[in-house]
Amino acid sequence: EDKVVQSPLSLVVHEGDTVTLNCSYEVTNFRSLLWYKQEKKAPTFLFMLTSSGIEKKSGRLSSILDKKELSSILNITATQTGDSAIYLCAVSSSNTGKLIFGQGTTLQVKP
Amino acid sequence: DAGVIQSPRHEVTEMGQEVTLRCKPISGHNSLFWYRQTMMRGLELLIYFNNNVPIDDSGMPEDRFSAKMPNASFSTLKIQPSEPRDSAVYFCASSRGDIANTIYFGEGSWLTVV
Repeated sequence: EDKVVQSPLSLVVHEGDTVTLNCSYEVTNFRSLLWYKQEKKAPTFLFMLTSSGIEKKSGRLSSILDKKELSSILNITATQTGDSAIYLCAVSSSNTGKLIFGQGTTLQVKP
Repeated sequence: DAGVIQSPRHEVTEMGQEVTLRCKPISGHNSLFWYRQTMMRGLELLIYFNNNVPIDDSGMPEDRFSAKMPNASFSTLKIQPSEPRDSAVYFCASSRGDIANTIYFGEGSWLTVV
């Protein structure tokens, strides 16, 4: 059965800290891995990763995929209170058309 | 551009009542997904459609749940009869292409069954 596991489940840091969120997966015929940020409402798209070793970067956020280890990390540097959210990892398979989500990491950034 | 539009945004209903949630995907997207999110179980895929055809409904919890997509711009998720354990946020999402790439979520329908 396809599955996605994120760690840690929750994290509390102070502004300015750097955090690393983890996502590991088991999926038949992997196609892509996506990161989403969910605040109070709907998840919003952050990154899509398809190739190993190529870092995607957007401001203070970056992510990289390791297909050998079946995992990805999401890094946030110089965290701000506005980074507080649930970060969701999802994986798609070329066999099906669907995204399988992990349970999410709840990040709280304290001032 | 309009995003995925869901209605109602909030619904409070009594146990045993029928609930219908509605979704309008982004124009031009041909895949549509219904997800349910709870604190305990996170985001769960209930069903998804491609070109209006249900492809995988293995996530639908039981026969009380049904979903339809009569055309490319409209889908419904129905719960009949509703139960308190159905209380959750129900998200509709859509994407372009035969295989899910980046999917875009609606703002969710917050359902409370009392």
